[in-house]
Amino acid sequence: NAGVTQTPKFQVLKTGQSMTLQCAQDMNHEYMSWYRQDPGMGLRLIHYSVGAGITDQGEVPNGYNVSRSTTEDFPLRLLSAAPSQTSVYFCASSWGGARGNTIYFGEGSWLTVV
Amino acid sequence: QQQVKQSPQSLIVQKGGIPIINCAYENTAFDYFPWYQQFPGKGPALLIAIRPDVSEKKEGRFTISFNKSAKQFSLHIMDSQPGDSATYFCAASILKPRLTFGEGTQLTVNP
Repeated sequence: NAGVTQTPKFQVLKTGQSMTLQCAQDMNHEYMSWYRQDPGMGLRLIHYSVGAGITDQGEVPNGYNVSRSTTEDFPLRLLSAAPSQTSVYFCASSWGGARGNTIYFGEGSWLTVV
Repeated sequence: QQQVKQSPQSLIVQKGGIPIINCAYENTAFDYFPWYQQFPGKGPALLIAIRPDVSEKKEGRFTISFNKSAKQFSLHIMDSQPGDSATYFCAASILKPRLTFGEGTQLTVNP
C-alpha cells in the first residue's frame, strides 16, 4: 500500500542548479498538488492539478514548474534553485468531485539550496 | 496575507489534560475545515474535518467546534496522551485540492 511516494527524501543543491522532485500515487486520484512547509508558516500551495493535462498555480508558484502527463505522476521542477527555496516539500493527492475530502500527503522531500 | 490564523504556536499540557487549538479565517467562501496532525519527519495526516453547516463534530477523543458567525473553529483533544504530541495544523478550502493552512501548533503532552 504505497499511497503517495516522493523522491528524493533529501537533496542538497547549489544555487542556480535545476532539479525535479518526483511524486507518484497509486490510488487513482484525480487531484494532485505540491506544498512547501517553512517554519512558522504552515504549508503553502505551490501548484496543483485536477487531472492529467491540467495544472494551475497555487499561492507560491514562482520558480517552480509542474506537468501532469499521467494520472499517477506529478513532478515538481525547480528551474534555477535559490536559497529561498530551501524547504520541505510535500506532494498530496485526493479524489475529485464529491467522493470525500481526504487529502493524502507524502512523507516529504527535504531540500537545501546552498 | 495569512487567510487562516492559528494559535497558540506551542502548547504544553499534562497527560489527561484538554488542549485547545484555535483558528480564525477571513474568507467566508471557505466550505471545508480540516485538521491535520504531523509527526516529525512525516507528512500531515487528516485527523478530523467539519463543514460550516455543523457546529460541532466528534471523532473519538478529537472534537471540532465551529462558530460560523465569528469565523472561528477550534480543536479539542480529550484525555490527551503523550502519543498525541505532534504538530497540528488547521486548514480551510473552497475547492479541492486548494488547502489554506494555519501556521501550526506544536503540542507536547507530558506523562
